[in-house]
Amino acid sequence: AQSVSQHNHHVILSEAASLELGCNYSYGGTVNLFWYVQYPGQHLQLLLKYFSGDPLVKGIKGFEAEFIKSKFSFNLRKPSVQWSDTAEYFCAVNAGGSSASKIIFGSGTRLSIRP
Amino acid sequence: EAQVTQNPRYLITVTGKKLTVTCSQNMNHEYMSWYRQDPGLGLRQIYYSMNVEVTDKGDVPEGYKVSRKEKRNFPLILESPSPNQTSLYFCASSLMEGYGYTFGSGTRLTVV
Repeated sequence: AQSVSQHNHHVILSEAASLELGCNYSYGGTVNLFWYVQYPGQHLQLLLKYFSGDPLVKGIKGFEAEFIKSKFSFNLRKPSVQWSDTAEYFCAVNAGGSSASKIIFGSGTRLSIRP
Repeated sequence: EAQVTQNPRYLITVTGKKLTVTCSQNMNHEYMSWYRQDPGLGLRQIYYSMNVEVTDKGDVPEGYKVSRKEKRNFPLILESPSPNQTSLYFCASSLMEGYGYTFGSGTRLTVV
């Protein structure tokens, strides 16, 4: 069965620090990969997605993610975080084929930014 | 404005009293899904639908029912709610397979 692992449950950074959140998935076939952000009290919003092509994907608000197929990873990065990036971040994977409608989410990483 | 609308936003109910959480999208999306969000567990898929009258179980379907009689609506039904169904519920829709979901604002359900 597909699964998504986000090993960092809570990350605390100072403003202007660089960010990298880990995401690993377990599925050997073609996948679509996503990062979502959930600001306090709000619903999930799509940050970026990978379907195919360039493994380095750029999203909104200065975020990017790199798909490394050999490592089954899709880590999220941002060179310089801001206080407004405080939120919970979810990695998600959708496998191709018959289960294409199922998007599996990781357990989330809470990001706290110190002003 | 393109959106997924859920109602109600907050609901407190008693064990065993049937309830329905409505979900509607105005984007003509084919795919719709229900998730529940619990601390430390992320989002878990309850049911999803690929089109009108086509639904399938997600990872945690027990205790829930859904229907998709119209493309825009995908209600979640709890026939006999129990306290372990206390959670934050999100409805989502997607244009096509694996395209990424647009989420509703959530429904916080408390079953006492």
